[in-house]
Amino acid sequence: DVVMTQSPLSLPVSLGQPASISCRSSQGLVHSDGNTYLSWLQQRPGQSPRRLIYKVSKWDSGVPDRFSGSGSGTDFTLQISRVEAEDAGVYYCMQGTHWPYTFGQGTKLEIK
Amino acid sequence: QVHLVESGGGLVKPGGSLRLSCAASGFTFNDFYVGWIRQTPGRGLEWVSYIGRRTTTIHYADSVRGRFTMSRASALNSVDLQLNTLRAEDTAVYYCRSGSWQDAFDIWGPGAMVTVSS
Repeated sequence: DVVMTQSPLSLPVSLGQPASISCRSSQGLVHSDGNTYLSWLQQRPGQSPRRLIYKVSKWDSGVPDRFSGSGSGTDFTLQISRVEAEDAGVYYCMQGTHWPYTFGQGTKLEIK
Repeated sequence: QVHLVESGGGLVKPGGSLRLSCAASGFTFNDFYVGWIRQTPGRGLEWVSYIGRRTTTIHYADSVRGRFTMSRASALNSVDLQLNTLRAEDTAVYYCRSGSWQDAFDIWGPGAMVTVSS
């Protein structure tokens, strides 16, 4: 199985400051169709996960543009340009290229 | 508006069975992938089963293959997950998820708690 490793696992951030989460996969994530199925999800306390970014850098509907995704190969990054209070929660990367699809351990973003 | 709702969770003894259902509204399952994902504090998020858009091939995690069966009831716009020979380690919140890997559409249900305990 592809192992997804996130860092850091805990991320305290002050309001208005930037935040960055790294995700590394144990194998390359380029699918045979040429796409890279790396996504980022947010899970707020008491809620179901919600996808923010798909195919490395594309925004899902309703996602603020302060969120951005980048990367290639085995190294990927989620960036938040200016953290807001509603961004508190756990963030996961997920690969949808190789079955079984796998998630990272999660990064808990807390507001300082 | 689009929604997914799971039903059928509960408490079951080891070795027992349970059937989860996921009903979609506001969109048609056949046009999108559908999967079941479970979450535990210890193991995090784990894909249990998956069926792609307009295919009949169902993929299962090694941990559930041979015990769990996913099926699609197109006429009802719903998807079921039959859980047999349950073990304590199957205890989790089970989410139904659907959407597109190519477009900006992805939806999760609120989750159904399955507890396997004697």
